[in-house]
Amino acid sequence: NAGVTQTPKFQVLKTGQSMTLQCAQDMNHEYMSWYRQDPGMGLRLIHYSVGAGITDQGEVPNGYNVSRSTTEDFPLRLLSAAPSQTSVYFCASSYSGGGAITDTQYFGPGTRLTVL
Amino acid sequence: AQSVAQPEDQVNVAEGNPLTVKCTYSVSGNPYLFWYVQYPNRGLQFLLKYITGDNLVKGSYGFEAEFNKSQTSFHLKKPSALVSDSALYFCAVRVNTGGFKTIFGAGTRLFVKA
Repeated sequence: NAGVTQTPKFQVLKTGQSMTLQCAQDMNHEYMSWYRQDPGMGLRLIHYSVGAGITDQGEVPNGYNVSRSTTEDFPLRLLSAAPSQTSVYFCASSYSGGGAITDTQYFGPGTRLTVL
Repeated sequence: AQSVAQPEDQVNVAEGNPLTVKCTYSVSGNPYLFWYVQYPNRGLQFLLKYITGDNLVKGSYGFEAEFNKSQTSFHLKKPSALVSDSALYFCAVRVNTGGFKTIFGAGTRLFVKA
């Protein structure tokens, strides 16, 4: 049981480039989400999904796209990278899609992204 | 607006002494409160949560947290700190805004000195 995995661990992009951050979980969790972590700001929700085929925006969705074609995978796409997107990105999952406000989230190890 | 505040950027404590990491919240409805810990270059790990019932919640690694409804607080505590407890601690509240979302505090860095 690998839990939540993220690739790559590190990435450097030039302004305007696009890329996809990968996230996968093998716990059959319905709920998955993407956060970015910036110093002094905690974690901010980018997008989330309550199940395959269902996604919604979080606090800071601009510049990012997501899709959820399977329960296991939840990739995050940067459409045209900007220096303001330099951050550490975390993917998380939890058991219930929309049914349990009490669920604990399980986090991946993170992707450190630098946009030049 | 629903929010979580961690008033201290950093907490310093000597090994063996008790530690407290503070958290206050502002939510409408019942609060569902969590503490997570982040070690260097790692993702967040769950420590404990308060859903309902006893105001004192026990969690992993000897940590506990006290829910205080009147003060809207959920402070993290440990009776005797270890150097290995040094990490970044996040308080979070889970809210229902048409979908369940987690709002995180800014984090408190705990430094335990030997």
